[in-house]
Amino acid sequence: QKEVEQDPGPLSVPEGAIVSLNCTYSNSAFQYFMWYRQYSRKGPELLMYTYSSGNKEDGRFTAQVDKSSKYISLFIRDSQPSDSATYLCAMSARSSASKIIFGSGTRLSIRP
Amino acid sequence: DAGVTQSPTHLIKTRGQHVTLRCSPISGHKSVSWYQQVLGQGPQFIFQYYEKEERGRGNFPDRFSARQFPNYSSELNVNALLLGDSALYLCASSALLDTEAFFGQGTRLTVV
Repeated sequence: QKEVEQDPGPLSVPEGAIVSLNCTYSNSAFQYFMWYRQYSRKGPELLMYTYSSGNKEDGRFTAQVDKSSKYISLFIRDSQPSDSATYLCAMSARSSASKIIFGSGTRLSIRP
Repeated sequence: DAGVTQSPTHLIKTRGQHVTLRCSPISGHKSVSWYQQVLGQGPQFIFQYYEKEERGRGNFPDRFSARQFPNYSSELNVNALLLGDSALYLCASSALLDTEAFFGQGTRLTVV
């Protein structure tokens, strides 16, 4: 069983829709939770970072962490075609920069 | 400001050969990590260096080695290349061990 499970998609939604991306994990030692966006043939770009449980909002993006259920989510409001990318959930037990464990990524496509 | 820079961007090698990949972190960042991303998968942690010392190692064979120089740049070396080593190799830098990691664009290695 993988430490981090993520639905690979692809997920296709119309422009303006709310997008929900999710990951589950098995290691209860994870304390740091991140979401990265990766465009084709590019490196991952850090979108959101959360320590422990709770919600964090940044513009159109909201990250949620439920440690009791070992479940994290990323919501994208008012989705735009430029949001089309692969979204990687990521987590770490030690820090936001140390031995990050990634999900396999969800491919998202926003239809104009 | 320059982000994380990696060289070369693309590389083709033959099975059994050796390869050296290079990474320059963001100015002022002291930690460098290396990840391997196989097509369709999330990045997998290989090494982390901080202040020129190895601070973490992932589940990779001894054919993989790395080092960090006094200017905080880093090299990843892979010996006796296998077809399965074909991947995008990503370098990430962070200011300290416990601050956010920023990724470079990666080096795409193809082993034939």
